[in-house]
Amino acid sequence: GENVEQHPSTLSVQEGDSAVIKCTYSDSASNYFPWYKQELGKRPQLIIDIRSNVGEKKDQRIAVTLNKTAKHFSLHITETQPEDSAVYFCAASLGSSASKIIFGSGTRLSIRP
Amino acid sequence: DAGITQSPRHKVTETGTPVTLRCHQTENHRYMYWYRQDPGHGLRLIHYSYGVKDTDKGEVSDGYSVSRSKTEDFLLTLESATSSQTSVYFCAISDIDSGELFFGEGSRLTVL
Repeated sequence: GENVEQHPSTLSVQEGDSAVIKCTYSDSASNYFPWYKQELGKRPQLIIDIRSNVGEKKDQRIAVTLNKTAKHFSLHITETQPEDSAVYFCAASLGSSASKIIFGSGTRLSIRP
Repeated sequence: DAGITQSPRHKVTETGTPVTLRCHQTENHRYMYWYRQDPGHGLRLIHYSYGVKDTDKGEVSDGYSVSRSKTEDFLLTLESATSSQTSVYFCAISDIDSGELFFGEGSRLTVL
């Protein structure tokens, strides 16, 4: 079946450095790619998303890039801070509608002081 | 936070017993979802609904059924719970125009 693969599963970076999380998807019809952040004991929350008609989107220290040809998208966090420590999930829509969203397996990001 | 509540929040049950989890929303969103979260697997879609009485299967639907008789309620039923269904279950809602999923607080189910 269709799936989303996410790497790495764990990532530790020094405070102030950048973090990159990568995902690939299998459904060529996917056109919506959100990223969610889940803090310990909390519910996942959307931090940024991108649609297939753009290649990059930024929101302050967070950016997402999309390569539809390679079916690959990435999350970039710059100038990492302690509050960035969390589990991050990439996701993709199945088909051309955003109604069915499947997730990657998650990346646990730790920020070292 | 979006108006979405799950009940019960915690449940311990025995293998073979039926279990129903309830998701209630006050946002009048059309789409509702049930995901399960397990270590190493992320969030996996069980079932989703795109309207009253309209539901579809997700990635891991075997052993689960759902019902949506009202816009605001989406029920997930385990007809005969198994230990492999021990998990944290998240309900989510979406207004589809934005695509953003708003999650409930989760329901932790333990099947002994």
